[in-house]
Order: sequence, then structure tokens, then C-alpha cells
Amino acid sequence: EVQLVESGGGLVQPGGSPRLSCAASGFTFSDYYMAWVRQAPGQGLEWVGRIRLKRESYTTEYAASVEGRFIISRDDSKNSLYLQMNSLETEDTAVYYCVREYWFRFDYWGQGTVVTVSS
Amino acid sequence: QSALTQPRSVSGSPGQSVTISCTGTSSDVGRENYVSWYQHHPGKAPKVMIYDVNKRPSGVPDRFSGSKSGNTASLTISGLQPEDEGDYYCCSSAATYTYVFGSVTRVTVL
Repeated sequence: EVQLVESGGGLVQPGGSPRLSCAASGFTFSDYYMAWVRQAPGQGLEWVGRIRLKRESYTTEYAASVEGRFIISRDDSKNSLYLQMNSLETEDTAVYYCVREYWFRFDYWGQGTVVTVSS
Repeated sequence: QSALTQPRSVSGSPGQSVTISCTGTSSDVGRENYVSWYQHHPGKAPKVMIYDVNKRPSGVPDRFSGSKSGNTASLTISGLQPEDEGDYYCCSSAATYTYVFGSVTRVTVL
């Protein structure tokens, strides 16, 4: 059974730099693109970014709203995905989902971790 | 990248059909056939219902179907069931290898 379990959320001050983690199991993690999707309170889903495979040099893409502030990385030896969030703004308050990307669709999602940016 | 445009809400009685539209541009929905649809119940993980415009993952009831014409994609639920109530999002690949989601549609079963 595919499982994605996020951690690392919580209350963060503006300008803070938390790192979210996602522990994956039930599939060959290194074979899949992985992504982060977020949902701000009362808002819709927003794609944050993705990371490709080792053979593709772990290249990444990001939404314009987080480009230059967020960094996605992965450790295939630990079946883990990460989201380093820098220079957080109140607008980054959201539930952050770890997502498996498979041929242009998001086929498995975690339960999400809440990040609240507030002083 | 602006969110794709979806109606805020649609509703129908059990057994009826409802259709949700998803309007984008030639840079996303109209660009390729990589439109997917997600059902989201509050507090739960979203679930893919349709991918590649009109394909259903295994386990998704065949009352869910998808289509696309130009820059607008659509999700139709035929024979609405109470468990279909929830939030629905379209999603499209876009230029520069990114994705854009729709603005959410709340489906209400009357």
C-alpha cells in the first residue's frame, strides 16, 4: 500500500525557514517524480513544485509564487522528500501535501501537514 | 500562472447528471491532453478521478467522465450519488513543465 506521511509543520514566524519532510512507502520511491501541493485556508489547491529522478539530475520546477524561496529535494536512500521553505510570508500559510506524480497526474497524496505563518 | 476557471458550485439530485467546466488558455488546457480531475473531501487526501482528459483510474466509478474542447475541459458525473458530494478541482500541465489547478467547484447532492 502506497503511503505518504508528511511532517514538520507548525507555527512559524514570518521570515522563518522550516523544512517539511515526507516519508514514502509501498512503492519504489526512486522511480517516481514527487511534488508538493498546498491549500491555503479557504482557497483551492496550488501546485508548489516537483523534483525529477536521479537520472534526470534531480531537476526541479517551482510555481512562480515560491520560486527562489522554496527548495525541493529528495533522498532516495531514505525514501524521503523534503521542502525547504525560506523567507516565509503569511500567504504561505497552508496545508502542504506530499504527492506522487505519475505521467502528468497526481496519483497518491499524503494527509497533509499544516504550516501557519504568524507572529 | 492564474488558476483555471471553474464554477463555484453545482448541484443535482441523486441520479441526475452534473457537469463541471474548467476553462484555461492555449498555454495550459488547450496545449496538451494532460488534464486531470481531483475529488477532495475536507480533512482527507484528494483523489484523482480522471486523468489525460478522459481516462479513469481503476476503482473510479464509470459515472465519472471527462472531455475537452479547445481551452475548456469538463467533468461529468452521471447518476449523481450522495458520496459524490465534495470539492472538485481540475488540473492541467502548463508551459515550462509546471501545473495549474482550477479554482474549485463544490458539488452538492440535493
